[in-house]
Amino acid sequence: QSVLTQPPSVSAAPRQKVTISCSGSSSNIGNNYVVWYQQLPGTAPKLLIYDNNQRPSGIPDRFSGSKSGTSATLGITGLQTGDEADYYCGTWDSSLSAVVFGGGTKVTVL
Amino acid sequence: QVQLVESGGGVVQPGKSLRLSCAASGFIFNNYGMGWVRQAPGKGLEWVALIWYDGSKKYYVDSVKGRFTISRDDSKKTVYLQMNSLRAEDTALYYCARDYCSSTTCYDYWGPGTLVTVSS
Repeated sequence: QSVLTQPPSVSAAPRQKVTISCSGSSSNIGNNYVVWYQQLPGTAPKLLIYDNNQRPSGIPDRFSGSKSGTSATLGITGLQTGDEADYYCGTWDSSLSAVVFGGGTKVTVL
Repeated sequence: QVQLVESGGGVVQPGKSLRLSCAASGFIFNNYGMGWVRQAPGKGLEWVALIWYDGSKKYYVDSVKGRFTISRDDSKKTVYLQMNSLRAEDTALYYCARDYCSSTTCYDYWGPGTLVTVSS
């Protein structure tokens, strides 16, 4: 059971938009910054979003992040087949004094 | 360019020990915190441990506290994970990663991982 809750899967057609939710509590998302990772099959995770909504250099603006209260959302617009991957949210949990991840969401491009 | 390369994985019996290493290059190592994240076969990411840039603070996931120790040698640009009393549930691909953020923990570079299999 992950501390952060994500839907197991989402899907959409090419060029459409998907959103992935990440739900937590006041001890984690509510009072700490959220990050998002993309993990393509057979590869190490890649940082997509940090500080709730900041993109590292090289990450296209099709990827966006937001946070409200104890939930966060990753948005992907203009969906491409290359976006098929697992996506994880993460943050610091102040009660656990630990980094916590969501269980991951598999994005499928129909 | 930034590079992280893990080593030290392998097959080990339950109760035994293993030490993982992560050799870093391409950046000023002692400016960054470092972490270990693992992924059991077919499962999601699980954070394991982190060490601050100066080694002054270390944090662990509850399931490894008292068994695993993270450390760093800045002269060798290497971070270690000493794993004792290994259990079957520690079987996973172990990634080393660089902590980029100052506001929270976020890993911007990852190694390819080293596989640890705990089995009799």
